[in-house]
Amino acid sequence: KQEVTQIPAALSVPEGENLVLNCSFTDSAIYNLQWFRQDPGKGLTSLLLIQSSQREQTSGRLNASLDKSSGRSTLYIAASQPGDSATYLCAVVRDGGSQGNLIFGKGTKLSVKP
Amino acid sequence: KAGVTQTPRYLIKTRGQQVTLSCSPISGHRSVSWYQQTPGQGLQFLFEYFSETQRNKGNFPGRFSGRQFSNSRSEMNVSTLELGDSALYLCASSLQSSGTRFSYEQYFGPGTRLTVT
Repeated sequence: KQEVTQIPAALSVPEGENLVLNCSFTDSAIYNLQWFRQDPGKGLTSLLLIQSSQREQTSGRLNASLDKSSGRSTLYIAASQPGDSATYLCAVVRDGGSQGNLIFGKGTKLSVKP
Repeated sequence: KAGVTQTPRYLIKTRGQQVTLSCSPISGHRSVSWYQQTPGQGLQFLFEYFSETQRNKGNFPGRFSGRQFSNSRSEMNVSTLELGDSALYLCASSLQSSGTRFSYEQYFGPGTRLTVT
């Protein structure tokens, strides 16, 4: 059974700091991995999607990496800003068949202090 | 292009009642998935519909059901509501469903906040 874990559960950093959020999954047979952001009481905003054949994706100050063999992904946020404060979720899609649903981690709640 | 829309945004019901939530996917998207988010369990997959057929189902009781219409809009229904059904219900759409080599990138709506009293 696929399980997704995110560590730490919460993180507080001063503005301007570079930071890394971690995501691990137990079954390396994934189709892709997607990072989301969720603001309080809101839906999910897709940040980056990494196909299983890719090693990383970049968008602006965000960089996500994927190591399928070790079951790990990281989300790197450069020069953090207070507006980055949110919960960050990673989710994987299982490979093959009709298993197209996302399996989520519990998220990392990020607080960036001015 | 308009995003995923969900109605209503907030709902208060009492135990034993039933409720229907609606989701309109991004234009052109044929797959719609539903997720339940609670503080204790996090985000859990309910079901996925593609071309009016349920393609995938999570581990939820039969009180939770859904359907998809020919225009890809989807509804989910919860019967005999329980206090534990209080949650944020999120709908996501994607261009394609499983069994293809598309990206499965999913786009989420703002959610429906259901409170059961």
